[in-house]
Amino acid sequence: NAGVTQTPKFQVLKTGQSMTLQCAQDMNHNSMYWYRQDPGMGLRLIYYSASEGTTDKGEVPNGYNVSRLNKREFSLRLESAAPSQTSVYFCASSGDGRSPMYNEQFFGPGTRLTVL
Amino acid sequence: AQSVTQLGSHVSVSEGALVLLRCNYSSSVPPYLFWYVQYPNQGLQLLLKYTTGATLVKGINGFEAEFKKSETSFHLTKPSAHMSDAAEYFCAVSPGFQKLVFGTGTRLLVSP
Repeated sequence: NAGVTQTPKFQVLKTGQSMTLQCAQDMNHNSMYWYRQDPGMGLRLIYYSASEGTTDKGEVPNGYNVSRLNKREFSLRLESAAPSQTSVYFCASSGDGRSPMYNEQFFGPGTRLTVL
Repeated sequence: AQSVTQLGSHVSVSEGALVLLRCNYSSSVPPYLFWYVQYPNQGLQLLLKYTTGATLVKGINGFEAEFKKSETSFHLTKPSAHMSDAAEYFCAVSPGFQKLVFGTGTRLLVSP
C-alpha cells in the first residue's frame, strides 16, 4: 500500500496563476482532508470530505476549491494564487469503516508551494 | 469550540534525558486526543491516541501520554531521549466526527 500520495512535491507559482494539488489514498478511507501548515501556526483545515460526493469548509477555506473525484481522490485548487497561500499543503484520510470509534488520520508527504 | 495549547515552541534535551512535551486541551465534551510526530520534510505520523478507557496510553518509539481530566492535560513523555527523536510534535483534539484541531507544535531538539 502506498498510503496517501500527493503531487506535486514542490511548486512555484506567480501571483494570479492557478493550479491543482492532487491527492489519492489506497486505504479505502471514507474521509479526506486538506490542511495547510505555516510556521508557528500548526496545521489548519482548509476543506474536508466526510464521504464520496460531499465536501465542507474547514477553518481557512477562502481562496481554495476542492473536488472529491471519487472515493480515492481529493483535489485542491487555487484559482488565483496569492503570496499569502505560500505554505506546505498536506492531504490526509481516515475512516475505513471497520470501527465505530474515531479512526486516526493518515497523512501524505506534503506539497511545498511558493507564490511569488 | 475545542482547542489545544502546546506550551513551548521549542524543547531541548540531552540524549538519555527525560522528554516532556506539554499539551492542554479545551473541550466541552469528552475529548479524543492525539499526538503526532513530524520528521523533517515529511508528513505527520500518529504516535498515540486516547479515545476511552485507560488513561495512560502507550505509543510507538517508547512514547506515552497520560490523560488527566482534572488538569485538562495530555502531556507526552519518554524516559530516555534518543537523537532520532528530534522532530516536531503536534497535539490534537477531535471536535467532531473524524475532524482534528491541532496545536501549534513543539520542536524537540536532542543534543549528544
